[in-house]
Amino acid sequence: GQNIDQPTEMTATEGAIVQINCTYQTSGFNGLFWYQQHAGEAPTFLSYNVLDGLEEKGRFSSFLSRSKGYSYLLLKELQMKDSASYLCAVRIGTRAGGYNKLIFGAGTRLAVHP
Amino acid sequence: EAGVTQFPSHSVIEKGQTVTLRCDPISGHDNLYWYRRVMGKEIKFLLHFVKESKQDESGMPNNRFLAERTGGTYSTLKVQPAELEDSGVYFCASSRGTAGNTIYFGEGSWLTVV
Repeated sequence: GQNIDQPTEMTATEGAIVQINCTYQTSGFNGLFWYQQHAGEAPTFLSYNVLDGLEEKGRFSSFLSRSKGYSYLLLKELQMKDSASYLCAVRIGTRAGGYNKLIFGAGTRLAVHP
Repeated sequence: EAGVTQFPSHSVIEKGQTVTLRCDPISGHDNLYWYRRVMGKEIKFLLHFVKESKQDESGMPNNRFLAERTGGTYSTLKVQPAELEDSGVYFCASSRGTAGNTIYFGEGSWLTVV
């Protein structure tokens, strides 16, 4: 079966750093995505990891360990606008299908307080 | 560049009625996907088009759901007849080329069946 776990809710203070963890057990793996979703809006692409290690993009970084089935999203210098849901998604599929099927976690609701 | 657009944004229909959701992918994106989020659950894959062909429809819940992508451009997802459990948010997404490319999501069509 397919299983992706991430915490349901987190809170943090403006200006601080927060780490959102994601563990996965999937039949196949072809990369891991992090999306940000504000209520009523489209999930917005944040990062993509296919190899082990850290990918940094401004205030956001994402880490992947394929052997451990583990990823995290690190948000630095938190701002109020970072309050949103953060979705972890693993890409699986077949070569014929282009490996383009995403399996999503339930999402982590992050609340940033002043 | 316009993003993935979906119509309608919200729809309320009675059980037994028919609803058709439309998705316009980002121009030039051969891959088009439908996903769904029902209340309290994670986003789940429904199907994947490559141009006009259904590449993977393993996530379609039953034969009340029909997806088409005539001419390989926009896509429609018809639910007929709608049931209460079909209520949720239907997301469309698109991507260019094959594996490794970012998948972009629309804002979703909120369907409520009463």
